This record gives sequence, C-alpha cells and structure tokens, in this order.
Amino acid sequence: EIVLTQSPGTLSLSPGERASLSCGASQNVNRNYLAWYQQIPGQAPRLLIKATSSRATGIPDRFSGSGSGTDFTLTISRLEREDFAVYYCQLYDRSPEITFGGGTKVEIK
Amino acid sequence: QVQLQESGPGLVKPSETLSLTCTISGDSISHYYWSWIRQPPGKGLEWIGHIYQTWTTTYNPSLKSRVTISEDTSKNQFSLRLSSVTAADTAVYYCARVVTGHDFYFYYMDVWGKGTTVTVSS
Repeated sequence: EIVLTQSPGTLSLSPGERASLSCGASQNVNRNYLAWYQQIPGQAPRLLIKATSSRATGIPDRFSGSGSGTDFTLTISRLEREDFAVYYCQLYDRSPEITFGGGTKVEIK
Repeated sequence: QVQLQESGPGLVKPSETLSLTCTISGDSISHYYWSWIRQPPGKGLEWIGHIYQTWTTTYNPSLKSRVTISEDTSKNQFSLRLSSVTAADTAVYYCARVVTGHDFYFYYMDVWGKGTTVTVSS
C-alpha cells in the first residue's frame, strides 16, 4: 500500500500570497494517477488537478500542479478568499487501490 | 450537466446494514466507473470502492469483507451496502464519477454528489 503524506497540516496565509502544498508518496508513482481536490467546509470535494498537472474544467489558472516520483506540489499563485479550504491529494495504484492524503488546511492568517 | 444524488437512511443501528443509493442524472451509468467515498466527522476522505458495468467491482481492502457495491442500470443508479456497522462507520458518504481513460491510463473523480450523513447509533 502506498501512503500519501501531505504537508503542512495547516498553512496560514493572507489573501494575495502564494501557497505551496506538498504531497509525498511512500514509493514512486505514475504521474497520471495523482489528483488534487479542494473541499470547502460543508461541501463535497471538487476536482482541481488531474494527472499531476492538468487543471480540471473551470479551474482558474492560479492553481497549478507539478511533481514526479514521490514528490508532488499544488501551488496557488495568489490566494483569493474563496481558496481558503482543505486540499487533498489522491492516488490510484494498480493494487488496485485509491488513497487520499490526510489533507492540508489553508486558513486565513 | 451530470449530477449525482445520494439517498438513504440517516440513522443506522449498530450491527445492522447501511444501505445507500446514488442516482445519476445527465449521463449513462454504463459509460464510467462509479465510486463511493466517505468522510468521518472532522477527518479526511476514505475510498470505499468502485463499480463498472455491473460486474466489475473493487473494494478498499480494509472494508472488503463488509462492502457490496451494485448497479441498477434500469434506474441509472448504483448502491452501497455496508454490513455490521459500528460507530466508526459514522460519516458523510459521497458518490462520485470516476474517469479512467483507456486501460486505466489515469484515474480521478470529476463529479461528486453533495454527500449524505449517516450516523450509527442505537
């Protein structure tokens, strides 16, 4: 089983600042199988990034994803108020099994 | 526009079976994999399992002995059954559409239901 570790657990930033969220895998993974979701409290998760770096439909270009091997990053270039939420990375591996990271909360400083 | 709607009892007694249904509108159930995910209060997301074209199912190993996911193509619905529930199964349960591409070239969940809260309590 591949374990996903997200860091930091909480990120305290101001609107307009840049956010970098990390997702580490316990072994090398296929970039096509790494996705990112945003969850606003009380709402369902929303797909942001698929296949490591491809933005989902309707996602603003201030969101970007990168990475390879065991290290992946979600970057929000300039935080808007609606971006303060919890972010999860998700991996498919061919066990087959789907795993989510523990989440990173981006809160207003 | 594809929409998913979860439905089922909000309260289940310990040791009984939790049963939920996800109704799909705006798309055919036959075209995709469909998944169940849950989120205990204040915690992260846990994948439960997925189904494709009625007979292909895969479950989270930690839940496999208690989970059944099935499809009703005539109603464009899929369902979750989780047996022998305990308080640890209290969660918001989501259904989602899974995009895999040919031969699982990629995997992500692009459409989610709003979720339904299930509490296990006597």
